[in-house]
Amino acid sequence: ELKVEQNPLFLSMQEGKNYTIYCNYSTTSDRLYWYRQDPGKSLESLFVLLSNGAVKQEGRLMASLDTKARLSTLHITAAVHDLSATYFCAVDIRGYFGNEKLTFGTGTRLTIIP
Amino acid sequence: DAGVTQSPTHLIKTRGQQVTLRCSPKSGHDTVSWYQQALGQGPQFIFQYYEEEERQRGNFPDRFSGHQFPNYSSELNVNALLLGDSALYLCASSLDRASGRASSYNEQFFGPGTRLTVL
Repeated sequence: ELKVEQNPLFLSMQEGKNYTIYCNYSTTSDRLYWYRQDPGKSLESLFVLLSNGAVKQEGRLMASLDTKARLSTLHITAAVHDLSATYFCAVDIRGYFGNEKLTFGTGTRLTIIP
Repeated sequence: DAGVTQSPTHLIKTRGQQVTLRCSPKSGHDTVSWYQQALGQGPQFIFQYYEEEERQRGNFPDRFSGHQFPNYSSELNVNALLLGDSALYLCASSLDRASGRASSYNEQFFGPGTRLTVL
Protein backbone atom coordinates (compact mmCIF):
# COMPACT_ATOMS: atom_id res chain seq x y z
CA GLU A 1 0.00 0.00 0.00
CA LEU A 2 1.36 3.38 -1.00
CA LYS A 3 2.12 5.71 1.86
CA VAL A 4 2.78 9.42 1.49
CA GLU A 5 4.24 11.32 4.39
CA GLN A 6 4.79 15.02 4.77
CA ASN A 7 6.78 16.91 7.32
CA PRO A 8 6.41 19.03 9.14
CA LEU A 9 2.69 18.76 9.81
CA PHE A 10 2.57 22.27 11.18
CA LEU A 11 4.89 25.13 10.31
CA SER A 12 4.83 28.61 11.71
CA MET A 13 7.33 30.97 10.21
CA GLN A 14 8.06 34.66 10.06
CA GLU A 15 7.63 36.72 6.95
CA GLY A 16 10.79 36.97 4.92
CA LYS A 17 12.19 33.61 6.04
CA ASN A 18 12.87 30.54 3.91
CA TYR A 19 11.68 27.03 4.62
CA THR A 20 11.16 23.63 3.03
CA ILE A 21 8.31 21.13 3.22
CA TYR A 22 9.21 17.50 2.58
CA CYS A 23 7.13 14.77 0.96
CA ASN A 24 8.24 11.13 1.09
CA TYR A 25 6.43 8.30 -0.63
CA SER A 26 6.86 4.57 -0.32
CA THR A 27 6.63 3.11 -3.85
CA THR A 28 7.55 4.00 -7.39
CA SER A 29 5.27 6.58 -8.89
CA ASP A 30 4.78 8.25 -12.23
CA ARG A 31 4.32 11.76 -11.02
CA LEU A 32 3.86 13.99 -8.03
CA TYR A 33 1.54 16.92 -7.48
CA TRP A 34 1.55 19.80 -5.03
CA TYR A 35 -1.71 21.45 -4.01
CA ARG A 36 -2.67 24.40 -1.86
CA GLN A 37 -5.84 24.46 0.20
CA ASP A 38 -7.26 27.48 2.00
CA PRO A 39 -9.60 26.88 4.97
CA GLY A 40 -12.97 25.54 3.83
CA LYS A 41 -11.93 25.64 0.19
CA SER A 42 -11.05 23.11 -2.47
CA LEU A 43 -7.62 22.18 -3.79
CA GLU A 44 -5.63 24.54 -5.98
CA SER A 45 -3.03 22.89 -8.19
CA LEU A 46 0.45 24.34 -7.76
CA PHE A 47 2.90 22.02 -9.50
CA VAL A 48 3.04 18.78 -11.45
CA LEU A 49 6.42 17.02 -11.40
CA LEU A 50 6.79 14.40 -14.07
CA SER A 51 10.33 13.08 -13.94
CA ASN A 52 13.38 12.63 -11.80
CA GLY A 53 15.18 15.89 -11.24
CA ALA A 54 12.19 17.99 -12.25
CA VAL A 55 12.18 21.46 -10.76
CA LYS A 56 9.37 23.97 -11.11
CA GLN A 57 9.07 27.48 -9.74
CA GLU A 58 6.20 29.88 -9.39
CA GLY A 59 6.76 33.07 -7.50
CA ARG A 60 8.10 32.31 -4.04
CA LEU A 61 7.44 28.57 -4.34
CA MET A 62 9.76 26.01 -5.88
CA ALA A 63 9.13 22.28 -6.08
CA SER A 64 11.54 19.49 -6.92
CA LEU A 65 11.37 15.73 -7.35
CA ASP A 66 13.92 13.00 -6.68
CA THR A 67 12.31 9.73 -7.77
CA LYS A 68 15.28 7.64 -6.66
CA ALA A 69 14.96 8.91 -3.11
CA ARG A 70 11.14 9.00 -3.46
CA LEU A 71 11.26 12.54 -2.16
CA SER A 72 9.77 15.83 -3.22
CA THR A 73 10.37 19.21 -1.65
CA LEU A 74 8.40 22.44 -1.68
CA HIS A 75 10.67 25.38 -0.91
CA ILE A 76 9.31 28.71 0.22
CA THR A 77 11.48 31.75 -0.32
CA ALA A 78 11.00 35.00 1.61
CA ALA A 79 7.59 33.98 2.90
CA VAL A 80 4.69 36.42 2.81
CA HIS A 81 1.40 36.24 4.70
CA ASP A 82 -0.56 35.31 1.57
CA LEU A 83 1.21 31.96 1.52
CA SER A 84 -0.54 30.87 4.71
CA ALA A 85 -2.51 27.72 3.80
CA THR A 86 -2.34 23.95 3.98
CA TYR A 87 -0.09 22.33 1.39
CA PHE A 88 -0.56 18.77 0.18
CA CYS A 89 1.58 16.57 -1.96
CA ALA A 90 -0.14 13.80 -3.88
CA VAL A 91 1.34 10.84 -5.66
CA ASP A 92 -0.10 9.19 -8.71
CA ILE A 93 -0.82 5.52 -8.72
CA ARG A 94 -1.68 4.46 -12.19
CA GLY A 95 -4.60 2.08 -12.05
CA TYR A 96 -5.10 -0.98 -14.18
CA PHE A 97 -6.69 1.11 -16.86
CA GLY A 98 -3.91 3.68 -16.74
CA ASN A 99 -5.74 6.51 -15.06
CA GLU A 100 -4.65 8.51 -12.09
CA LYS A 101 -5.66 7.63 -8.57
CA LEU A 102 -4.12 10.16 -6.25
CA THR A 103 -2.78 9.31 -2.82
CA PHE A 104 -2.40 12.41 -0.69
CA GLY A 105 -0.02 13.24 2.09
CA THR A 106 -1.19 14.36 5.49
CA GLY A 107 -0.74 18.01 4.64
CA THR A 108 1.42 20.78 6.08
CA ARG A 109 -0.40 23.65 7.70
CA LEU A 110 1.69 26.73 7.06
CA THR A 111 1.18 29.93 9.04
CA ILE A 112 3.17 33.01 8.13
CA ILE A 113 3.56 35.45 10.99
CA PRO A 114 3.97 39.15 10.13
CA ASP B 1 -14.99 27.35 -19.98
CA ALA B 2 -16.77 26.07 -16.88
CA GLY B 3 -14.66 24.20 -14.42
CA VAL B 4 -15.78 21.35 -12.22
CA THR B 5 -19.00 22.13 -10.38
CA GLN B 6 -20.54 20.40 -7.40
CA SER B 7 -23.86 20.60 -5.63
CA PRO B 8 -24.97 21.22 -3.02
CA THR B 9 -22.34 23.36 -1.33
CA HIS B 10 -23.34 22.34 2.17
CA LEU B 11 -25.58 19.59 3.48
CA ILE B 12 -26.71 18.55 6.95
CA LYS B 13 -28.09 15.07 7.53
CA THR B 14 -28.78 12.84 10.50
CA ARG B 15 -27.39 9.39 11.20
CA GLY B 16 -29.01 6.65 9.17
CA GLN B 17 -30.14 8.90 6.36
CA GLN B 18 -29.04 8.72 2.77
CA VAL B 19 -27.41 11.48 0.74
CA THR B 20 -26.68 12.17 -2.92
CA LEU B 21 -23.96 14.54 -4.06
CA ARG B 22 -23.59 15.73 -7.62
CA CYS B 23 -20.68 16.67 -9.84
CA SER B 24 -20.38 18.10 -13.35
CA PRO B 25 -16.94 17.65 -14.88
CA LYS B 26 -14.88 20.26 -16.65
CA SER B 27 -15.89 20.70 -20.25
CA GLY B 28 -14.32 18.01 -22.41
CA HIS B 29 -13.48 15.68 -19.53
CA ASP B 30 -14.85 12.14 -19.39
CA THR B 31 -13.55 10.72 -16.11
CA VAL B 32 -14.79 11.60 -12.64
CA SER B 33 -13.13 10.71 -9.36
CA TRP B 34 -14.50 11.25 -5.86
CA TYR B 35 -12.47 11.95 -2.73
CA GLN B 36 -13.42 12.28 0.93
CA GLN B 37 -11.53 14.77 3.07
CA ALA B 38 -12.13 14.54 6.80
CA LEU B 39 -11.28 17.57 8.91
CA GLY B 40 -7.54 18.00 9.29
CA GLN B 41 -6.66 15.19 6.89
CA GLY B 42 -5.69 14.76 3.28
CA PRO B 43 -8.26 13.69 0.70
CA GLN B 44 -8.85 9.96 0.34
CA PHE B 45 -9.83 8.32 -2.94
CA ILE B 46 -13.33 6.83 -2.95
CA PHE B 47 -13.82 5.70 -6.55
CA GLN B 48 -13.52 6.69 -10.18
CA TYR B 49 -16.03 6.54 -13.01
CA TYR B 50 -15.40 6.26 -16.72
CA GLU B 51 -17.85 5.36 -19.46
CA GLU B 52 -20.60 5.11 -16.86
CA GLU B 53 -18.81 2.36 -14.94
CA GLU B 54 -16.86 2.28 -11.70
CA ARG B 55 -13.30 1.68 -12.78
CA GLN B 56 -11.30 1.95 -9.57
CA ARG B 57 -12.32 1.93 -5.93
CA GLY B 58 -10.57 2.93 -2.74
CA ASN B 59 -11.00 1.42 0.70
CA PHE B 60 -14.59 2.51 1.31
CA PRO B 61 -17.58 0.34 2.29
CA ASP B 62 -20.42 -0.53 -0.03
CA ARG B 63 -22.50 2.20 1.60
CA PHE B 64 -20.66 4.47 -0.80
CA SER B 65 -21.88 4.08 -4.34
CA GLY B 66 -21.90 6.18 -7.43
CA HIS B 67 -23.13 6.67 -10.91
CA GLN B 68 -21.98 8.37 -14.07
CA PHE B 69 -24.39 9.63 -16.67
CA PRO B 70 -23.98 9.75 -20.47
CA ASN B 71 -23.09 13.46 -20.21
CA TYR B 72 -20.19 12.45 -17.90
CA SER B 73 -21.72 14.04 -14.80
CA SER B 74 -21.64 11.91 -11.69
CA GLU B 75 -23.39 11.27 -8.42
CA LEU B 76 -22.03 9.99 -5.13
CA ASN B 77 -24.52 8.23 -2.88
CA VAL B 78 -23.93 7.39 0.75
CA ASN B 79 -26.42 5.18 2.59
CA ALA B 80 -26.92 4.68 6.33
CA LEU B 81 -24.92 7.77 7.22
CA LEU B 82 -22.55 7.62 10.17
CA LEU B 83 -21.12 10.49 12.16
CA GLY B 84 -17.74 9.63 10.66
CA ASP B 85 -19.04 10.37 7.18
CA SER B 86 -18.92 14.09 8.00
CA ALA B 87 -16.36 15.50 5.61
CA LEU B 88 -15.66 17.62 2.56
CA TYR B 89 -16.42 15.57 -0.55
CA LEU B 90 -14.38 16.55 -3.56
CA CYS B 91 -15.05 15.66 -7.14
CA ALA B 92 -12.25 15.72 -9.69
CA SER B 93 -12.48 15.37 -13.43
CA SER B 94 -9.89 14.37 -16.00
CA LEU B 95 -9.54 13.19 -19.56
CA ASP B 96 -8.89 9.51 -20.10
CA ARG B 97 -5.65 8.74 -21.94
CA ALA B 98 -7.42 6.32 -24.23
CA SER B 99 -9.24 9.26 -25.75
CA GLY B 100 -6.02 10.20 -27.50
CA ARG B 101 -6.56 13.80 -26.50
CA ALA B 102 -4.92 13.63 -23.10
CA SER B 103 -1.45 14.92 -22.45
CA SER B 104 1.25 12.64 -21.08
CA TYR B 105 -0.48 12.94 -17.76
CA ASN B 106 -4.16 13.55 -17.33
CA GLU B 107 -4.26 15.94 -14.45
CA GLN B 108 -7.31 15.92 -12.24
CA PHE B 109 -9.14 19.20 -11.76
CA PHE B 110 -10.97 19.54 -8.47
CA GLY B 111 -14.38 21.04 -7.84
CA PRO B 112 -15.25 23.33 -4.92
CA GLY B 113 -16.50 20.43 -2.80
CA THR B 114 -19.61 19.60 -0.81
CA ARG B 115 -19.41 19.93 2.96
CA LEU B 116 -21.48 17.13 4.54
CA THR B 117 -22.31 17.27 8.23
CA VAL B 118 -23.90 14.23 9.86
CA LEU B 119 -25.59 14.86 13.21
